[in-house]
Amino acid sequence: GAGVSQSPRYKVTKRGQDVALRCDPISGHVSLYWYRQALGQGPEFLTYFNYEAQQDKSGLPNDRFSAERPEGSISTLTIQRTEQRDSAMYRCASSSNRGLTEAFFGQGTRLTVV
Amino acid sequence: AQSVTQLGSHVSVSEGALVLLRCNYSSSVPPYLFWYVQYPNQGLQLLLKYTTGATLVKGINGFEAEFKKSETSFHLTKPSAHMSDAAEYFCAVTEGNQGGKLIFGQGTELSVKP
Repeated sequence: GAGVSQSPRYKVTKRGQDVALRCDPISGHVSLYWYRQALGQGPEFLTYFNYEAQQDKSGLPNDRFSAERPEGSISTLTIQRTEQRDSAMYRCASSSNRGLTEAFFGQGTRLTVV
Repeated sequence: AQSVTQLGSHVSVSEGALVLLRCNYSSSVPPYLFWYVQYPNQGLQLLLKYTTGATLVKGINGFEAEFKKSETSFHLTKPSAHMSDAAEYFCAVTEGNQGGKLIFGQGTELSVKP
């Protein structure tokens, strides 16, 4: 596609449910990043992939959070047993290679846990 | 550990006035610095970046920023504000060569008064 696409745009879920957030990067982009942005804050790094390999997951807050990118393209961020504190905007970005190239961000998924 | 501090969560200027958004960083190694802009309901868009070389960096929409190592600053300026500049602005830093793994400041919301 022309840009980074994230789905769904909005997700409301009940506490304790699992959610899966999808990111479709710009075609051909090697690197894919996940961020979480709380209201009034800057984005906070969660994890990133080069191709299908997860290179760094140091930002994942706990083991309820996981991410995959099995074919080196689309990625899914999964949150198990959601809690209210997980409510935030989740942003995905992709870049064309592993260097200091620009990362292009999607519009994000607004997750609300009730 | 790296960090970014943006001074002022809200800045208001009149149309045609100088825009100055402040950013200070902390890094144990030579930093790579970025400014992103976020319009309502849109993803983050790169305004400009500093990696190496010239310390005055020009970006899109008439914005520029100057890297000052002695002051650990990377302030964003624009000589004359336009109504369309109203948005949230984020300063970010990365120490590695992975341009998408960023540490963001908390953001500065810019308002432009007619």
